[in-house]
Amino acid sequence: DSGVTQTPKHLITATGQRVTLRCSPRSGDLSVYWYQQSLDQGLQFLIQYYNGEERAKGNILERFSAQQFPDLHSELNLSSLELGDSALYFCASSVTAHQETQYFGPGTRLLVL
Amino acid sequence: EDKVVQSPLSLVVHEGDTVTLNCSYEVTNFRSLLWYKQEKKAPTFLFMLTSSGIEKKSGRLSSILDKKELFSILNITATQTGDSAIYLCAVNTGNQFYFGTGTSLTVIP
Repeated sequence: DSGVTQTPKHLITATGQRVTLRCSPRSGDLSVYWYQQSLDQGLQFLIQYYNGEERAKGNILERFSAQQFPDLHSELNLSSLELGDSALYFCASSVTAHQETQYFGPGTRLLVL
Repeated sequence: EDKVVQSPLSLVVHEGDTVTLNCSYEVTNFRSLLWYKQEKKAPTFLFMLTSSGIEKKSGRLSSILDKKELFSILNITATQTGDSAIYLCAVNTGNQFYFGTGTSLTVIP
């Protein structure tokens, strides 16, 4: 158990819908990262937040957005969902913005039908 | 285009064998290279490498980075069935993390 929690574990929804994935970092970690893992594209970095501010941005679609709240938990919002958005979404956390030892949560499995 | 390539894609060995996993990269701004082990759940951190030629070691696992030739290797000696997993390599460029597609290792008793 890494100490990073993600909810929900599984999510099934329809195309065109919007969902919110939630992540709570390890106690004391200020940085949160979001990743998408699909069978055909492997693990893709989406976005990083540090202490409430966006720190780095990867291959995140415009339909996706994220934020980190004052209590340091983070949410990833996925809208206008498409079949291709079906994937495992991981959240990871680290102590600082430059701390590359990231601890991954168990992931949220999203299925878009 | 920044990219990370891992080889082989898949490997099947017998318990006790030694394996070497490869990771090569082409990125515009290298900060560090990381290795992760992924079983059925989330990736777990193994090593972070920033300097060439310095071996990182943890038990039967070791890794080294060559920044001139732009690659890293992960060695596992005396493999055990518990080593069966996907091993991921990632490169941090400071504002992005690029992952390889992973090497799937299966260790047969």
